[in-house]
Amino acid sequence: ELQLVESGGGLVQPGGSLRISCAVSGFTLSDHYMAWVRQAPGKGLEWVGRSGNKASSYTTEYAASVKDRFTFSRDDSKNSFYLQMNSLNTEDTALYYCIREYGHAVGSGWHEVFDIWGQGTMVTVSS
Amino acid sequence: AIQMTQSPSSLSASVGDRVTITCRASQDIRSDLGWYQQKPGKAPKLLIYGASTLQSGVPSRFSGSGSGTDFSLTISSLQPEDFATYYCLQDYNFPRTFGQGTKVEIK
Repeated sequence: ELQLVESGGGLVQPGGSLRISCAVSGFTLSDHYMAWVRQAPGKGLEWVGRSGNKASSYTTEYAASVKDRFTFSRDDSKNSFYLQMNSLNTEDTALYYCIREYGHAVGSGWHEVFDIWGQGTMVTVSS
Repeated sequence: AIQMTQSPSSLSASVGDRVTITCRASQDIRSDLGWYQQKPGKAPKLLIYGASTLQSGVPSRFSGSGSGTDFSLTISSLQPEDFATYYCLQDYNFPRTFGQGTKVEIK
């Protein structure tokens, strides 16, 4: 079964750091692009960023709101994908979803979709 | 960043109704658009990609159309399990951007 399970969320003080994890099962992590999307309580979805696969040399893209504070990493041998969050502020309070990206060819186009989502891990930034 | 504007932000409908949600991009994004459904307390689920291609396993009552800047998601006959919030997402460039969501509620 294709599955993503996040862990490591919790309460952290403003200015603090936290690393959340995403355990992958049912597919080979190194073959796939992975992403993080977050959702503040009662709000919509916000893209955090993505990490390329091994073939792309793990290239990364980040949302402007987290660039230079958040970092993706992965341990393909452990089938785990990580989000390191530094200099956290209250606006980072959200449910963080780990996502597998999958590419589909449609006609002459190529579409990268979020086809598998974890259940999310909650990060609360508060004093 | 490309802005995605959904309308309406919410709607009330009855089982069996035909429902259409629209999404407008602030610039031409070709057909690089997906639709996602999120039920309360659950992770979003992919419905449509490439503006009009149904994801495997998604009921055929869901359909998508559009290209360029204007897109729509249609549910041909609303079912009880379709009451949820729907989001569009552009995959044309980075940063990826979602619409603000459309909540479909029971009338």
